[in-house]
Amino acid sequence: AQTVTQSQPEMSVQEAETVTLSCTYDTSENNYYLFWYKQPPSRQMILVIRQEAYKQQNATENRFSVNFQKAAKSFSLKISDSQLGDTAMYFCAFMLPLQGAQKLVFGQGTRLTINP
Amino acid sequence: NAGVTQTPKFQVLKTGQSMTLQCAQDMNHEYMSWYRQDPGMGLRLIHYSVGAGITDQGEVPNGYNVSRSTTEDFPLRLLSAAPSQTSVYFCASSYRHRNEKLFFGSGTQLSVL
Repeated sequence: AQTVTQSQPEMSVQEAETVTLSCTYDTSENNYYLFWYKQPPSRQMILVIRQEAYKQQNATENRFSVNFQKAAKSFSLKISDSQLGDTAMYFCAFMLPLQGAQKLVFGQGTRLTINP
Repeated sequence: NAGVTQTPKFQVLKTGQSMTLQCAQDMNHEYMSWYRQDPGMGLRLIHYSVGAGITDQGEVPNGYNVSRSTTEDFPLRLLSAAPSQTSVYFCASSYRHRNEKLFFGSGTQLSVL
């Protein structure tokens, strides 16, 4: 079974700083998807970034980028120039494409606070 | 565009009561699923469906029933609510051929006293 671990329950940084959230996962499969989801106080689940395991290039979306280390089974999220609106819970998630059917496995989450 | 609509947003039940959480999507998605979110545990898959008439169990199915009579709707039933089912419930959907792109509903906060 696949597992996802986020070892940082809470993090806090000042506005405009860069912050990195950690995520490790365990799988014996070679092809899979990894995700970072953001959950603000509104409770809505918002997809931040997605990485396909067969792609060596790290995914980027504006201020958000990942450091995908397949051999180490590590998938960290870097938020540059952090903004107050980045305050949220962040979840790392894993999915096998063969399973599909939205069988996402989530980590425990990291509560990120951006201070003014 | 409505997307994925969940009702109700909040609900309080007494132990032993039954209720149905509603989920509807207007995007003609084949895949739909239910997750529950508990503090410190992320989201866990309860049940899922790959199309009308087809459902299967996820990681934590006990105490919940589902059915998929139409493509649009995927209700989650609690037959006899227990305090352990106090949680936030999310419905999600996606296209079969783009199942890595999920659309989530806004969640239902359920408290069982």
